[in-house]
Amino acid sequence: KNEVEQSPQNLTAQEGEFITINCSYSVGISALHWLQQHPGGGIVSLFMLSSGKKKHGRLIATINIQEKHSSLHITASHPRDSAVYICAVGPTDKLIFGTGTRLQVFP
Amino acid sequence: ETGVTQTPRHLVMGMTNKKSLKCEQHLGHNAMYWYKQSAKKPLELMFVYSLEERVENNSVPSRFSPECPNSSHLFLHLHTLQPEDSALYLCASSQVGGSRGGEQFFGPGTRLTVL
Repeated sequence: KNEVEQSPQNLTAQEGEFITINCSYSVGISALHWLQQHPGGGIVSLFMLSSGKKKHGRLIATINIQEKHSSLHITASHPRDSAVYICAVGPTDKLIFGTGTRLQVFP
Repeated sequence: ETGVTQTPRHLVMGMTNKKSLKCEQHLGHNAMYWYKQSAKKPLELMFVYSLEERVENNSVPSRFSPECPNSSHLFLHLHTLQPEDSALYLCASSQVGGSRGGEQFFGPGTRLTVL
């Protein structure tokens, strides 16, 4: 069993739909990261959080430390949101990554 | 240049070649990382240089050799690679410690193919 599990592995949606991606982890953490990887490989950090909730535009990330669970929500999804979303946990210099959730948003 | 840059973006090499990947960060960070991303696998941390100290990763084969001459530059020297080393190699940097600590900034990656 991986130390960081994401679900679902693949997700398709119609433009405008509300999307939720989940991340569960089994190790103690100092912070949890959500990353976005577009085709071609480039990775962008979306959020780093250690408690509660953060919001940036249409993206919302929540974390429940007691349950060792985090969710990434996308409101009013758009085709440009199509990417792989990766959850990672741990201290910054020892991150453990999930395998990612591939999201495709169709017009 | 801004952010984290990597060269080359694509590399094809034979198993007997020696090549180097280069990474440069323009963010004033004090930690740099090499990651390997193979198909269908999570990102794997290969090496970390944090506060100018190298953190060993005993699971990385010796045919990969990192070099960090200063806090802005990071190299990955490659020699006698195997076809299974074909992957996307990503460099990242972050600030360790302080109020801005934690978030990692990634380069675009080098797509390596070993024939």
